[in-house]
Amino acid sequence: GAVVSQHPSWVICKSGTSVKIECRSLDFQATTMFWYRQFPKQSLMLMATSNEGSKATYEQGVEKDKFLINHASLTLSTLTVTSAHPEDSSFYICSASGGSVGELFFGEGSRLTVL
Amino acid sequence: SQQGEEDPQALSIQEGENATMNCSYKTSINNLQWYRQNSGRGLVHLILIRSNEREKHSGRLRVTLDTSKKSSSLLITASRAADTASYFCASRGSEKLVFGKGTKLTVNP
Repeated sequence: GAVVSQHPSWVICKSGTSVKIECRSLDFQATTMFWYRQFPKQSLMLMATSNEGSKATYEQGVEKDKFLINHASLTLSTLTVTSAHPEDSSFYICSASGGSVGELFFGEGSRLTVL
Repeated sequence: SQQGEEDPQALSIQEGENATMNCSYKTSINNLQWYRQNSGRGLVHLILIRSNEREKHSGRLRVTLDTSKKSSSLLITASRAADTASYFCASRGSEKLVFGKGTKLTVNP
């Protein structure tokens, strides 16, 4: 199946710094990518829908100025957590839509720990 | 909340037994998908069932969909210890994929 790669797989940073997470579709073009956040022992919550060449669409309650999303090409979307705080510590997962109808391909996730 | 519900939240069975997980969703859908997640890892797509389908099989997996009740079930037959994971349903409308809260399955050897 199609491959979606996330980088880094884990990151530890100090409070107040910004962290960028990349999501790449390796063997297909993805006009739409989705960013999810997952807290321990919980399900995935959709944060935003990233569309190539246009602004991301954020879900209710997600701060667009804090979670900056850029989808500059058909194979790359980035999520930047700005001025990270300990409560932003979470597992961030991206997915990309491509190939067969309805199926999304997920990255392996990026675990962020803010000290 | 955008999320649907899944039950049970946790299920513990013996190897060889069948495991049934249920899922309810809130809005009309184009399809419903089931995913598996091992602890701390990404998601693995298991099966997709379209809104006009009622039942689908894939290996030891059987999925049913009842759009009138906005519910789906996932049956894993002849479970194995390696099936231990969290299982999520995800409903897809026009574009977004909304996940249920998940069922944590433990298969004891």
